[in-house]
Amino acid sequence: LAKTTQPISMDSYEGQEVNITCSHNNIATNDYITWYQQFPSQGPRFIIQGYKTKVTNEVASLFIPADRKSSTLSLPRVSLSDTAVYYCLVGDAGGGGFKTIFGAGTRLFVKA
Amino acid sequence: GAVVSQHPSRVICKSGTSVKIECRSLDFQATTMFWYRQFPKQSLMLMATSNEGSKATYEQGVEKDKFLINHASLTLSTLTVTSAHPEDSSFYICSAPETGFGNTFGSGTRLTVV
Repeated sequence: LAKTTQPISMDSYEGQEVNITCSHNNIATNDYITWYQQFPSQGPRFIIQGYKTKVTNEVASLFIPADRKSSTLSLPRVSLSDTAVYYCLVGDAGGGGFKTIFGAGTRLFVKA
Repeated sequence: GAVVSQHPSRVICKSGTSVKIECRSLDFQATTMFWYRQFPKQSLMLMATSNEGSKATYEQGVEKDKFLINHASLTLSTLTVTSAHPEDSSFYICSAPETGFGNTFGSGTRLTVV
């Protein structure tokens, strides 16, 4: 399982775009990149998943360069409710999911 | 997306007693379920992987006799913390794989052992 490295914490203001970068230098060919959001005392919530280039959904975008050794989660126009811990995970999604080993995550604090 | 229902959301028990936590996949079949533990301000730590119809696989350092896992059906996995002690107090979370969406997580169980 590829190890991931993220910034421990980030601060932002409401309305700004937030980009969180994750390093995964030893990502394997079959590995997907998945980002989760976790609020205190709740289970993690799926945000976005990708394999290469760019993926966009209604809440975020995921940018993956050609070498796939890193990825960037982009949250447009954050609000106070986006204050949470964000986890980047890498693994073989295969037919359904993968054994997920969590790193430390990034604590995002959005200020008014 | 799929839903994993986890119960109870919080439980307080006396030291030495056992507590059972249930996770149900509501609209899909989960042949595999992952169990995690999370201490305050820390990340999730994978404890074990349960597989329907077979024995669970435990991560290094996790006592299988203390954390009993049963995955008797395709929609239900349970974690029983046996002879709980205050150091077992933590936030326990389950998750099940979902095609194209990584893993779907339960809402977690806050266990407090007094």
